[in-house]
Amino acid sequence: DQQVKQNSPSLSVQEGRISILNCDYTNSMFDYFLWYKKYPAEGPTFLISISSIKDKNEDGRFTVFLNKSAKHLSLHIVPSQPGDSAVYFCAAIGGAGSYQLTFGKGTKLSVIP
Amino acid sequence: DADVTQTPRNRITKTGKRIMLECSQTKGHDRMYWYRQDPGLGLRLIYYSFDVKDINKGEISDGYSVSRQAQAKFSLSLESAIPNQTALYFCATGDPASQETQYFGPGTRLLVL
Repeated sequence: DQQVKQNSPSLSVQEGRISILNCDYTNSMFDYFLWYKKYPAEGPTFLISISSIKDKNEDGRFTVFLNKSAKHLSLHIVPSQPGDSAVYFCAAIGGAGSYQLTFGKGTKLSVIP
Repeated sequence: DADVTQTPRNRITKTGKRIMLECSQTKGHDRMYWYRQDPGLGLRLIYYSFDVKDINKGEISDGYSVSRQAQAKFSLSLESAIPNQTALYFCATGDPASQETQYFGPGTRLLVL
């Protein structure tokens, strides 16, 4: 049973346009969400996070939106750059005493120059 | 220097062999994790440790064991490697002060023949 779902395995976007990566979750105990970015031959690196008490968090070109009622979050990258081409993982954590991150399967973003 | 290092970076072994993957960190975090990544499956947790005397099984611990030799060192062993353990393995440290943001090593690519 997949608790964190990224239903789009891949996404292609033109340079300068907006990239929107989506993530859905099923566990209502999740209260903190993170996005990681992974380049080939490297480990995932933390990108941005959001607490369930917020509906938006922004960091430069990256914004994460959280819709708790829909159990949905999205990562917006504006404007997209070729260096943003990577695999993006959505992760979630929550529940009393829970310290484990649950990851989605990832979305491969390709930004076309 | 990298905060989380993994050795070896690549390893080829034969079915039935015992191998050890090593992880070291300089971030000073008590929490350490081992994940594996398979194509199309995202990252799955194998084992985690919250301090030197604490070891916990993750989602897919069968066939693996771990040792936390010191705060900075966490090793993963495959007692008798099998081909379906061919995967990319990541070590990570966790920072409870920042809602479990995790910091990953560069990964070890393991091929079991």
